[in-house]
Amino acid sequence: QQQVKQSPQSLIVQKGGISIINCAYENTAFDYFPWYQQFPGKGPALLIAIRPDVSEKKEGRFTISFNKSAKQFSLHIMDSQPGDSATYFCAASKGGGSYIPTFGRGTSLIVHP
Amino acid sequence: NAGVTQTPKFRVLKTGQSMTLLCAQDMNHEYMYWYRQDPGMGLRLIHYSVGEGTTAKGEVPDGYNVSRLKKQNFLLGLESAAPSQTSVYFCASSYTLGLNTEAFFGQGTRLTVV
Repeated sequence: QQQVKQSPQSLIVQKGGISIINCAYENTAFDYFPWYQQFPGKGPALLIAIRPDVSEKKEGRFTISFNKSAKQFSLHIMDSQPGDSATYFCAASKGGGSYIPTFGRGTSLIVHP
Repeated sequence: NAGVTQTPKFRVLKTGQSMTLLCAQDMNHEYMYWYRQDPGMGLRLIHYSVGEGTTAKGEVPDGYNVSRLKKQNFLLGLESAAPSQTSVYFCASSYTLGLNTEAFFGQGTRLTVV
């Protein structure tokens, strides 16, 4: 059973556009929602994360929007750049001393110049 | 600062052969994980460890074994490789405390079983 569902599987955006990736989760006990960015040939790296006590978190051009009642969260990349081309994974986990992240299946983002 | 280092980076195995993937971290993390990444399937947890001498099964543990004899090392073994185990394997580590839960990943090992 997939606990975190991510969409779309692939996304093509023009330079300067907005990229939006969505995730939905099932377990209401999750309390940490990170996004990881993976470039070809590299391991994933933490991009930005949010906890359910806030509805939005922004770091530069990257914003997480969180809807606790709908059990959904999304990543928005403003002014998308070719250097943002990568695979993005959402994840969810429970805190309290343990962290076993459950990942979505990933979104391959291509930003055309 | 090396972070998480995986050895080897590439390997080709014949069906039935065995091998061990090594993961080493220098951040004194308690938690370590092995994931496999396949196209369209995301990152699936194979096994994980919550401390030296402990291991636990993840989502897809069949065909793999692990050991955590030292805190900084986490080994993933394939006793009899199968073509279905062709994948990219990632090791990761993290802190124990809930307030700081970033997972740090290695560069990956690309394994092909023929």
